[in-house]
Amino acid sequence: QQQVKQSPQSLIVQKGGISIINCAYENTAFDYFPWYQQFPGKGPALLIAIRPDVSEKKEGRFTISFNKSAKQFSLHIMDSQPGDSATYFCAASKNAGNMLTFGGGTRLMVKP
Amino acid sequence: DTAVSQTPKYLVTQMGNDKSIKCEQNLGHDTMYWYKQDSKKFLKIMFSYNNKELIINETVPNRFSPKSPDKAHLNLHINSLELGDSAVYFCASSQHRVNTGELFFGEGSRLTVL
Repeated sequence: QQQVKQSPQSLIVQKGGISIINCAYENTAFDYFPWYQQFPGKGPALLIAIRPDVSEKKEGRFTISFNKSAKQFSLHIMDSQPGDSATYFCAASKNAGNMLTFGGGTRLMVKP
Repeated sequence: DTAVSQTPKYLVTQMGNDKSIKCEQNLGHDTMYWYKQDSKKFLKIMFSYNNKELIINETVPNRFSPKSPDKAHLNLHINSLELGDSAVYFCASSQHRVNTGELFFGEGSRLTVL
């Protein structure tokens, strides 16, 4: 049973556009929701994270929106750049960092 | 200096063989992990150690045996390799009980079983 469902599996966006990746979770005990970015041949790296006490968190061009009642959260990448082309993973955990459960990943391609 | 380093980066071996992957972190973290990433990029936790003690052991075949000689090292030994073991194995570390939740991943070890 996949506890964190991520969509879409792949996404193509034009340079300057907005990339939106969505995740939904099952377990209401989750209290920490990070997004990781993975470039080919590299390990995932933390991009941005949110806790359920806020509905939105912004860092530069990256924004997480969180809807606790719907058990959904999403990543928005504004002014998408070719350098943003990577695989993005949402994740969730009950105790921050320990036992992270990852979504299935979204391969983002930003076309010049 | 690489924060989380894994060796080897690539392994190609025959079915039935035994292989090991080594991991070291120089971040002073208390907790280390092994994750498996399959061909569809799905990431799944296998094991977690905190200060050399096993704290997470997901449903992983007994052929996989982690060993943590000290809190900076977590090795993975795999016996009797099967085709389905082909994947990228990632080591990661985090500061236990620090509420940042950030996992630091190594660059992965790509295992190919022929």
